[in-house]
Amino acid sequence: GENVEQHPSTLSVQEGDSAVIKCTYSDSASNYFPWYKQELGKRPQLIIDIRSNVGEKKDQRIAVTLNKTAKHFSLHITETQPEDSAVYFCAASPIMEYGNKLVFGAGTILRVKS
Amino acid sequence: ETGVTQSPTHLIKTRGQQVTLRCSSQSGHNTVSWYQQALGQGPQFIFQYYREEENGRGNFPPRFSGLQFPNYSSELNVNALELDDSALYLCASSLGRSTPGELFFGEGSRLTVL
Repeated sequence: GENVEQHPSTLSVQEGDSAVIKCTYSDSASNYFPWYKQELGKRPQLIIDIRSNVGEKKDQRIAVTLNKTAKHFSLHITETQPEDSAVYFCAASPIMEYGNKLVFGAGTILRVKS
Repeated sequence: ETGVTQSPTHLIKTRGQQVTLRCSSQSGHNTVSWYQQALGQGPQFIFQYYREEENGRGNFPPRFSGLQFPNYSSELNVNALELDDSALYLCASSLGRSTPGELFFGEGSRLTVL
């Protein structure tokens, strides 16, 4: 089955710097790659996603890149702010007939120091 | 439009007992999935229900079972509780389409097994 590895496990950056989180996946049939942000005690919330037919997607300060050949994808956050501090999870979705089953990475704790 | 709601928010059980967790999906969503999130880990897929039928199951034993009702709300039942079942149980709803998309998570039910 699908396996997702995520690095680093913790990341500390200075406010205004960029942060990059990387994930690799094992199942070449996976076709959907979302990123979720989870603040302490809160629900995971989607921040950006990318599908396998796209190499890069950007939404304001957040961007995701996907390399299907190497089976890895990355989250880039520019101009980090203290409110970006949270746990970030990458995920991959193996093909299902309906809906999706997400296989999550172990998470990255991002701390933005002001 | 109401979001995904879960109950109870917290509960404590002892080994061997049984528990039922409940989830109301977001309006218009016909697919519900359940995830187990152990402390410091990413969510792990338990199973998914699409239009009242189980549609995909993760690597969890049969003592984890579920139901989806005609209004698309759902229950997760866990029998013969073990200490390792202590975790945050997340319900997520989505539109059941052939193309995977965003999962909308509830705030979760935190289960402690003593």
